[in-house]
Amino acid sequence: AQTVTQSQPEMSVQEAETVTLSCTYDTSESDYYLFWYKQPPSRQMILVIRQEAYKQQNATENRFSVNFQKAAKSFSLKISDSQLGDAAMYFCAYRSGIGNQAGTALIFGKGTTLSVSS
Amino acid sequence: GAGVSQSPSNKVTEKGKDVELRCDPISGHTALYWYRQSLGQGLEFLIYFQGNSAPDKSGLPSDRFSAERTGGSVSTLTIQRTQQEDSAVYLCASSIRQANYGYTFGSGTRLTVV
Repeated sequence: AQTVTQSQPEMSVQEAETVTLSCTYDTSESDYYLFWYKQPPSRQMILVIRQEAYKQQNATENRFSVNFQKAAKSFSLKISDSQLGDAAMYFCAYRSGIGNQAGTALIFGKGTTLSVSS
Repeated sequence: GAGVSQSPSNKVTEKGKDVELRCDPISGHTALYWYRQSLGQGLEFLIYFQGNSAPDKSGLPSDRFSAERTGGSVSTLTIQRTQQEDSAVYLCASSIRQANYGYTFGSGTRLTVV
């Protein structure tokens, strides 16, 4: 079974600085997808960024980028120019690509709480 | 609708009572998922619907938990004889059939069993 591990329960960063959140996963599959979700106090999970395992190029969305190391099964999230609004819990998630069907559930890590100070 | 809607937003119930949690997915999303988020934990998968059928019920923690979906749209998660350990946030998400772009989540129902 696949597992997702986030080893940092809490992280903090100053406004305008850069922070990296760690995520590792365990799988025997070669085709899969990886996601980072943000959960603010409103509780609604918001998709931040996604990565397809077959793509070597790291995904980037504005201030958010990932460092995807497939051989090491590592998928870290880098937040540049941190803003107060980035404060939230961040979850790393894995989805099997087998069958390319919607029924394959996302598997989540336990999350990292990010605080941003001014 | 424009987003995934869940109701109620918060629910406090007495131990032993039954509760129903509702999820209204995005129109046209055929897949619907329920997750449970306990304090300090990640998201625990409960059940998945494709249309009205539930091919994967593997995550339901006990036979006190059940879910149904009607008309390929609204879903209800029912917890019978609630226990204190059922206290958690219950999140619903929906997606198009090929969910490679992830899910869209609702804001969840916070259930407190007293």
